[in-house]
Amino acid sequence: QKEVEQDPGPLSVPEGAIVSLNCTYSNSAFQYFMWYRQYSRKGPELLMYTYSSGNKEDGRFTAQVDKSSKYISLFIRDSQPSDSATYLCAMTPTDKLIFGTGTRLQVFP
Amino acid sequence: DAGVIQSPRHEVTEMGQEVTLRCKPISGHNSLFWYRQTMMRGLELLIYFNNNVPIDDSGMPEDRFSAKMPNASFSTLKIQPSEPRDSAVYFCASSLPGTGVEKLFFGSGTQLSVL
Repeated sequence: QKEVEQDPGPLSVPEGAIVSLNCTYSNSAFQYFMWYRQYSRKGPELLMYTYSSGNKEDGRFTAQVDKSSKYISLFIRDSQPSDSATYLCAMTPTDKLIFGTGTRLQVFP
Repeated sequence: DAGVIQSPRHEVTEMGQEVTLRCKPISGHNSLFWYRQTMMRGLELLIYFNNNVPIDDSGMPEDRFSAKMPNASFSTLKIQPSEPRDSAVYFCASSLPGTGVEKLFFGSGTQLSVL
């Protein structure tokens, strides 16, 4: 079993939809949780960063962490075609970042 | 800032050949990471350096892989001899002092194809 599980998708939604992306994990030592966005033929870029449980909001993006369920989510409101990318969750206890395999999102006009 | 710079962008080589991938981290960043990305396994950490010193190379698949960081502005990842299963996108990333391993800045990657 992988330490971090993520549905690869693809997920296809119309413009303006609310998107929910999720990851589960098995290591209870994980304390820091991140979401990276990766456009085609580019490297990942940090989108959201959360420490421990709770919610964090940044514009149209909300990250949620539920440590009791070992489950993290990224919500995108009013999705735009420019949000089309692969979204990778990532997490770490302190010393090594473990990535999910990524969910490919397509937002069509 | 130019960001993390990797070269070459694409590399096609034949099995058994030596391959060298290059990385220039962002100026002022003191940690450097090499990752490999495949469809099946996603992003895997190969090795990371802190202040030019290798800290964790447990992700290096085997002795055919080696990495060096001779100074703060340059690192190489070498595969010798290369095999078809090494085909992947190799990313270099760097981070600022004090930010740990969470906030990484990635380069655009090197697409390696071993025939």
